[in-house]
Amino acid sequence: RKEVEQDPGPFNVPEGATVAFNCTYSNSASQSFFWYRQDCRKEPKLLMSVYSSGNEDGRFTAQLNRASQYISLLIRDSKLSDSATYLCVVNNYGGSQGNLIFGKGTKLSVKP
Amino acid sequence: DADVTQTPRNRITKTGKRIMLECSQTKGHDRMYWYRQDPGLGLRLIYYSFDVKDINKGEISDGYSVSRQAQAKFSLSLESAIPNQTALYFCATQDGGNDEQFFGPGTRLTVL
Repeated sequence: RKEVEQDPGPFNVPEGATVAFNCTYSNSASQSFFWYRQDCRKEPKLLMSVYSSGNEDGRFTAQLNRASQYISLLIRDSKLSDSATYLCVVNNYGGSQGNLIFGKGTKLSVKP
Repeated sequence: DADVTQTPRNRITKTGKRIMLECSQTKGHDRMYWYRQDPGLGLRLIYYSFDVKDINKGEISDGYSVSRQAQAKFSLSLESAIPNQTALYFCATQDGGNDEQFFGPGTRLTVL
């Protein structure tokens, strides 16, 4: 089983739509969870951390389900500028391959 | 000024050539990482370093070597470049007490 799995998309949505991305992870000992955003040919940048109680930052809401090892990102009122690839990231607590494990990303395209 | 810089930003080279990619940071972070990104494969860890005297292999270290010259500098070398090392290479830094990683702008390497 892959360590962090995401639907690659693309998700093509109109402006103003609500879109949700999901991610599953295999390391039950993981303690930290993130969503990163990556624009085409640019570096990944932290969008938001994901906390056990769920957290919201403006139009973005992240949820964590430890029992199911599942993370989600909800984007409300999508903007053209939200078009990017969204990377689910999990810390590799107890693992041997560095510190963070990155999913391959979910591509979002917001159309006018 | 950028906190994490990479040089060169683009490089085209030929098979068999030795190439060095450099990364510098002004964030004062102890941990530094080298990743490569290929379409459809996501970010893969090449090497990482938790301090100047600590170097660790990542998922795909074969064909690569690294040097941590100082806390602020971490260079990646390809001793004899081959075409399947054509990729986008990212350096990242991390504060040891926090899981968030900060990425450089990337180096696009093409091996002919």
